[in-house]
Amino acid sequence: NAGVTQTPKFQVLKTGQSMTLQCAQDMNHNSMYWYRQDPGMGLRLIYYSASEGTTDKGEVPNGYNVSRLNKREFSLRLESAAPSQTSVYFCASSPQGAIYEQYFGPGTRLTVT
Amino acid sequence: KQEVTQIPAALSVPEGENLVLNCSFTDSAIYNLQWFRQDPGKGLTSLLLIQSSQREQTSGRLNASLDKSSGRSTLYIAASQPGDSATYLCAVCSGAGSYQLTFGKGTKLSVIP
Repeated sequence: NAGVTQTPKFQVLKTGQSMTLQCAQDMNHNSMYWYRQDPGMGLRLIYYSASEGTTDKGEVPNGYNVSRLNKREFSLRLESAAPSQTSVYFCASSPQGAIYEQYFGPGTRLTVT
Repeated sequence: KQEVTQIPAALSVPEGENLVLNCSFTDSAIYNLQWFRQDPGKGLTSLLLIQSSQREQTSGRLNASLDKSSGRSTLYIAASQPGDSATYLCAVCSGAGSYQLTFGKGTKLSVIP
């Protein structure tokens, strides 16, 4: 039982390049989330998927797109990376519903030059 | 918009001391509150989750309380150990259907041997 896994662990992009961050969970959770963590800002929600087949914007969605590929996988895409997207990205999952805690992956550290 | 504040931003204590970390939030319409631990360069580990109807939760040396009406939570750590050194994050869950987490910026704890 690996929990929440993320790939890659580290990535360096040039401004304007695109990439997809991958996230998978093996806990049969319905809901999945993408957050970014910046120094002095805390974690902020980018996008979430309350259940398979649905996605919605969070607090900071600009510059990102997401795909809920199936119940296990939720990917985050940067179409044209900008230096402001340099951050640590965390994926999380939870069973659907407010009584459940969220489980986090190890993170992807992205640098855009 | 929900805002979460954690005080102090950093705390240094000698080993064996009992300590309290504080979290406050602006909107009392929450579903639950979670406390996380984050080690440097790592992901988030869930410590405790308190439902909105609960007053406190305990796990080992950790005790978290919730006063929803005043918008406050505390995390009490008994008999602190050097291994407790980490950043502690408070997050409140709100948002009908999405159960989004809003995070504080964390308290960085150092336990000195």
